Amino acid sequence: DIVMTQSPDSLAVSLGERATINCKSSQSVLYSSNNKNYLAWYQQKPGQPPRLLINWASTRESGVPDRFSGSGSGTDFTLTISSLQAEDVAFYYCQQFYTTPWTFGQGTKVEIK
Amino acid sequence: EVQLVESGGGLVQPGRSLRLSCTASGFTFADYAMIWFRQAPGKGLEWVGFIRKKTYGGTTEYAATVKGRFTISRDDSKSIAYLQMNSLKTEDTAVYYCSRDDMRGKLFDYWGQGTLVTVSS
Repeated sequence: DIVMTQSPDSLAVSLGERATINCKSSQSVLYSSNNKNYLAWYQQKPGQPPRLLINWASTRESGVPDRFSGSGSGTDFTLTISSLQAEDVAFYYCQQFYTTPWTFGQGTKVEIK
Repeated sequence: EVQLVESGGGLVQPGRSLRLSCTASGFTFADYAMIWFRQAPGKGLEWVGFIRKKTYGGTTEYAATVKGRFTISRDDSKSIAYLQMNSLKTEDTAVYYCSRDDMRGKLFDYWGQGTLVTVSS
């Protein structure tokens, strides 16, 4: 199974500052035939289902604010919130769908400092 | 408007069975694979399994933790995906979510609100 490891487990960032979450996969999730990384990022607030933010490692989902961006390739990925807003307080998860079993990172809790 | 609504959750004793439903609306259900995820209380997300659309054989795949106990099926005429859960264990206690995948690059874009399954004696 592909193991997804996020870092840090939690972070506190001041309003308006940058938040960076890292996700590392135990093997590459880049499919060479189409040059796509099979990696998604989600935001989850208490009592709500996950919300897809980023797909294919860097494609922002429709309606997601442009302060959210995804980058990386192969085994190392990053979710960046360029200017943290109060409504961004949540858990964030990465997920690989390169091969089954699809697996998630353990989650990162983002709070306001 | 795309909607996915899970139902069928509740309290069940270990070893018993339960069937969850994911009722879809607002899109052509037959054009999508349907996916089940779960989240134990206070824990992270876990993929449970999926069923491909009929044009891809309608085949299924499962996580090792549920394989042989859980079965995913679909009724395209009713726009419903099912998760039949047998031989339930206490560790199956979770909120169960469904999502979708058009198998052409659009996936995980909509999720239901989830249904809670509690396995306890």
